[in-house]
Amino acid sequence: GQNIDQPTEMTATEGAIVQINCTYQTSGFNGLFWYQQHAGEAPTFLSYNVLDGLEEKGRFSSFLSRSKGYSYLLLKELQMKDSASYLCAVRDGLTGGGNKLTFGTGTQLKVEL
Amino acid sequence: DTGVSQDPRHKITKRGQNVTFRCDPISEHNRLYWYRQTLGQGPEFLTYFQNEAQLEKSRLLSDRFSAERPKGSFSTLEIQRTEQGDSAMYLCASSSLAGGGNEQYFGPGTRLTVT
Repeated sequence: GQNIDQPTEMTATEGAIVQINCTYQTSGFNGLFWYQQHAGEAPTFLSYNVLDGLEEKGRFSSFLSRSKGYSYLLLKELQMKDSASYLCAVRDGLTGGGNKLTFGTGTQLKVEL
Repeated sequence: DTGVSQDPRHKITKRGQNVTFRCDPISEHNRLYWYRQTLGQGPEFLTYFQNEAQLEKSRLLSDRFSAERPKGSFSTLEIQRTEQGDSAMYLCASSSLAGGGNEQYFGPGTRLTVT
């Protein structure tokens, strides 16, 4: 099975940098995903890590350490529109290669002026 | 619009009634997933299709739930004898086997309220 932990809420200031952590314990691992979800909307894909290290994509970066079962999402130059829930998800790779994702409960980020 | 679409967007039903939701994936995507999400939680996996074959079902999916993808394109999720605990957002996602199929694209969801 999978166990994924991430903070419930975070608050940050516009223009600042925020790091959202995610730890996981899995029976198999085939990639870690970050999704953004605004209230009442569908999750949208942000990043994917399968190897250790940092993946950068514009203002968003994601880091993975497989040996530690740890990932973080780094958001730079925060904007008010970044206020949303950030979901960490793990693909276990054991289920027939089917890409099944197990999600954490999400971290609700509030960006303030 | 070439994204994932779901219908209806909202459904209110009385306990004990049957409901059916539809998902139209992105046209070239051969993998289709159903998830359920309740307030303050992340999406929970329900079931997954590759083309028309249903390859995995979660233990969360009781025998009141059934999903089909008859022609490998759109999919339906039916809930029989609905219960108040079925109230949730039902999300559909699709992905392509090509290129590793890493990204799942989600539809807007169907919000079910059972009264």
